[in-house]
Amino acid sequence: EAGVAQSPRYKIIEKRQSVAFWCNPISGHATLYWYQQILGQGPKLLIQFQNNGVVDDSQLPKDRFSAERLKGVDSTLKIQPAKLEDSAVYLCASSLDWKGRRLRDGPSFGPGTRLTVL
Amino acid sequence: GEDVEQSLFLSVREGDSSVINCTYTDSSSTYLYWYKQEPGAGLQLLTYIFSNMDMKQDQRLTVLLNKKDKHLSLRIADTQTGDSAIYFCAGSYSGGYQKVTFGTGTKLQVIP
Repeated sequence: EAGVAQSPRYKIIEKRQSVAFWCNPISGHATLYWYQQILGQGPKLLIQFQNNGVVDDSQLPKDRFSAERLKGVDSTLKIQPAKLEDSAVYLCASSLDWKGRRLRDGPSFGPGTRLTVL
Repeated sequence: GEDVEQSLFLSVREGDSSVINCTYTDSSSTYLYWYKQEPGAGLQLLTYIFSNMDMKQDQRLTVLLNKKDKHLSLRIADTQTGDSAIYFCAGSYSGGYQKVTFGTGTKLQVIP
């Protein structure tokens, strides 16, 4: 089975610019996660989708970050405008429906997008 | 919400056993996971343990769960240089949806 795909792999922008990241989850996975991983830290959940609905965005800085998951498949995460502290790796992950099926497998992660804000 | 804590760094000699520790706060966690992250790569699931288990063994990996103390450990037997990476523990709990919270990560350095 193909893994989680993300693009771009690397992005360098200047502060106050905008940036967008794309994620294609594993086929059939209903749950999609976006995590932010700052250097030296563990991944922090930004937003979680169940199909195309948001179930958790409590840690998403909504004044600058937005995300959507059209048709319950691909997702995009946008930052507008970017700040220096947004420099991080943005990880997309997916998992099967949460209702007791395959929870043991945990989320499957993509390779991430490394964002540098200058 | 869940807090998950780990020690930051562990150094072992090749061939020795490694033990990576983790503590968590949410006793309602259903699954606990161990992930491995190599430089420049995403996270790879190594193993999991269900919350009603005390121990799980998977080849060189042994996971121990102490529910009373909310303590999780990962033992890697016969550690190899290829095991050098950052290891994350994570807890999963379902409060209407499955939320997975990660620890701070432990960097394992294997000395040849």
